[in-house]
Amino acid sequence: DTAVSQTPKYLVTQMGNDKSIKCEQNLGHDTMYWYKQDSKKFLKIMFSYNNKELIINETVPNRFSPKSPDKAHLNLHINSLELGDSAVYFCASSLGLASTTGELFFGEGSRLTVL
Amino acid sequence: AQSVTQLDSQVPVFEEAPVELRCNYSSSVSVYLFWYVQYPNQGLQLLLKYLSGSTLVESINGFEAEFNKSQTSFHLRKPSVHISDTAEYFCAVSALGNEKLTFGTGTRLTIIP
Repeated sequence: DTAVSQTPKYLVTQMGNDKSIKCEQNLGHDTMYWYKQDSKKFLKIMFSYNNKELIINETVPNRFSPKSPDKAHLNLHINSLELGDSAVYFCASSLGLASTTGELFFGEGSRLTVL
Repeated sequence: AQSVTQLDSQVPVFEEAPVELRCNYSSSVSVYLFWYVQYPNQGLQLLLKYLSGSTLVESINGFEAEFNKSQTSFHLRKPSVHISDTAEYFCAVSALGNEKLTFGTGTRLTIIP
């Protein structure tokens, strides 16, 4: 019974294409996140939603658009993909806000390769 | 803004030897500190955390970390490592009033048989 599940796990696509990554959590958490992990394993937050409301929006290009249809889902859509978008994207969730509980539950990641 | 520094990108250790993974943080306000572990091809999992109280915190698999406010450190230690401890370890910090959890660049722990 996967707590935080992401699809697809692997995504290979051409520059300029548009792609989406889906995330769902069955933990009953009210906060969800997208993190990007680059080839050097550096992990950087992109977005965070709390009860479907955007609470963190780092300096991410407008080509990235998160969507939270309900508090169990946070999808990431990327337009006009570029080579630099190649990375592993992790979805995570937490009960309450990360600054107080600290415990994030991560999905297994979606490896995006842009050719 | 808070930040985290993990000076060691890779740490090779012989099996059953002790290990210390270093983590230093910077923040102008009170902080919460965390260690996460990432096994190959998996997401991150919380290993242990310091929120308040005792400065020494332990995990269920033998790791411990000590919050040292004067040295702004939260080093992770284990007295005897196993092959199964091979993973990437991330230190993270959050500061009061800031909803971001900021991660360090990670330390790859490799256990040598």
